Amino acid sequence: EVQLLQSGGGSAQPGGSLRLSCAASGFVFRRYVMSWVRQAPGKGLEWVSLVGDDGGFTRYADSVRGRFIISRDNSRNTLYLHMSGLRAEDTAVYYCTKDLRGSPPHYFDSWGHGSLVTVSS
Amino acid sequence: EIVLTQSPATLSVSPGEGATLSCRASQNIRTTLAWFQQKPGQAPRLLIYDSSTRAAGTPARFRGSGSGTEFTLSISSLQSEDFAVYYCQQVSEWPLTFGGGTKVEI
Repeated sequence: EVQLLQSGGGSAQPGGSLRLSCAASGFVFRRYVMSWVRQAPGKGLEWVSLVGDDGGFTRYADSVRGRFIISRDNSRNTLYLHMSGLRAEDTAVYYCTKDLRGSPPHYFDSWGHGSLVTVSS
Repeated sequence: EIVLTQSPATLSVSPGEGATLSCRASQNIRTTLAWFQQKPGQAPRLLIYDSSTRAAGTPARFRGSGSGTEFTLSISSLQSEDFAVYYCQQVSEWPLTFGGGTKVEI
């Protein structure tokens, strides 16, 4: 059974930093592209970032490019999202996701339980 | 950026009735579209990918169709567990984008 166990998150002041982690199990982590998707309170879904299976390929939404860094450690089966320069509009539940297949297109077939990030002074 | 417009925003139906949800893309995305279901307090769940392929565990009463810019999610004979918010997502071009969602309520 695929499991994506998220940790990290919490509260930060504007301009601050946080790191999210997503520990994967139940599948061969190094073979799958992984992503982060967020959802502001009461709002819809927003794709944030994606990392290729070996970590060498990354993509970001314009809203986070230059402030967030996605990475992965295939030896630890763990996905990360390093968030810096946080803004109030980054307040959201952040989900890690696994691709359906080992190649594009990037459909998200498994999701973590979500980590709440609150940015406020 | 490809904009996905979902309609209606809210759909009121009775259990046992059918429902049709629409998703319109601002440009041609061929069939690279997914549908998700989200219930309160839960993560989204993949229902449909490649416009019409049911994901593992998706009941046969869910049917996806469409290509290009017009897509539809049809739910026949709604069950109590189907009342939720539904999102479409395109995976054709960067950035990957979601529609604003359709809430299916009683």
